[in-house]
Amino acid sequence: NAGVTQTPKFRVLKTGQSMTLLCAQDMNHEYMYWYRQDPGMGLRLIHYSVGEGTTAKGEVPDGYNVSRLKKQNFLLGLESAAPSQTSVYFCASWTANTGELFFGEGSRLTVL
Amino acid sequence: AQSVTQLDSQVPVFEEAPVELRCNYSSSVSVYLFWYVQYPNQGLQLLLKYLSGSTLVKGINGFEAEFNKSQTSFHLRKPSVHISDTAEYFCAVRSAALNAGGTSYGKLTFGQGTILTVHP
Repeated sequence: NAGVTQTPKFRVLKTGQSMTLLCAQDMNHEYMYWYRQDPGMGLRLIHYSVGEGTTAKGEVPDGYNVSRLKKQNFLLGLESAAPSQTSVYFCASWTANTGELFFGEGSRLTVL
Repeated sequence: AQSVTQLDSQVPVFEEAPVELRCNYSSSVSVYLFWYVQYPNQGLQLLLKYLSGSTLVKGINGFEAEFNKSQTSFHLRKPSVHISDTAEYFCAVRSAALNAGGTSYGKLTFGQGTILTVHP
């Protein structure tokens, strides 16, 4: 099983450019999340989804958009990247059966 | 809403010494508690979790944690650390409250992380 897969793993953007991070899970989980990790701040929730076609804002949603058109995929978009969005982004999925979040390996984004 | 405070940002220890990583939380509702570990350039993996039952929880790699409801703490301990335990450790909480559908949304609130460095 691949679990949770994120693409791309690394990306460098210039200020104002747009991009999309893709998260795919093969565990048939209903819930999916996007977090960002910054030094000394732990992980902060950007957006999440409780099922196909649904999305909701997390703790730090500004500057990001998401879509969940298929149950297995959760996309995170940056319409106009800013240096403050330089971070490591983690996708996760969850099932109530085990109570455990499964994480991808992260996507390191640098905005110049 | 919940919040988590990890009291130490960095903990250096020598190999085979005991270690305790401290975690306190704040919540107006009952919570579930988790410890995750992140090795360099990797994602997070679950060390252990407290959902209910015994307040002493044992996890992988010889780690254990004790839930103390009166002190709102969930400290992580290991009696003898190894070089390979060098990593960043995150404490996290999730609301045990149920939504209208009879389940929670699974959202985790994380602490700031503690970097454990084990020296030879």
